Amino acid sequence: SAVISQKPSRDICQRGTSLTIQCQVDSQVTMMFWYRQQPGQSLTLIATANQGSEATYESGFVIDKFPISRPNLTFSTLTVSNMSPEDSSIYLCSVEATHLYGYTFGSGTRLTVV
Amino acid sequence: SQQGEEDPQALSIQEGENATMNCSYKTSINNLQWYRQNSGRGLVHLILIRSNEREKHSGRLRVTLDTSKKSSSLLITASRAADTASYFCATAETSGSRLTFGEGTQLTVNP
Repeated sequence: SAVISQKPSRDICQRGTSLTIQCQVDSQVTMMFWYRQQPGQSLTLIATANQGSEATYESGFVIDKFPISRPNLTFSTLTVSNMSPEDSSIYLCSVEATHLYGYTFGSGTRLTVV
Repeated sequence: SQQGEEDPQALSIQEGENATMNCSYKTSINNLQWYRQNSGRGLVHLILIRSNEREKHSGRLRVTLDTSKKSSSLLITASRAADTASYFCATAETSGSRLTFGEGTQLTVNP
């Protein structure tokens, strides 16, 4: 299955600033998914990133707040913009490993906004 | 929005006992998957069951799927302290589509 390198693993940021999270996959994948996991909660899909087209955002998430880049089939970034303490969460990227074995997740970025 | 509901939200058992977690969902699915998450880290895929399957085994894990009731269960047999983690079910409406996660069950296995 695919291996994902996600960084940074954690960061503490000042409110009003932005953080860019990177995910590098060791194989070419069509779709990459970005999730948010707020403290003590489950995962919520932010957007689906396809190479060569704009990301598709879920209800409640907008491009101005969470811009996504997908320059090629192995790499994507998610930026959390103009951060507030409410953005403190774990952010995870994911790709489909194979149709038999589910999805592979990055190790997550634990973001704390102060 | 989350379509999956899991129960119990938290489960505490002794080592060696079996742990059963349940998941319900609302829409039609292509497959249902179970994941484990240790202490807020990345998710580890445990098992995938397709909509045309009723039961699947992997080591100490047993998953069942009842599409008529839109529910699934995960059984961990002979639990170990290392099984302590959060367990999530996730559904995919089509193969390769986005996953919709349940609320998760926090399992604690006491040595």
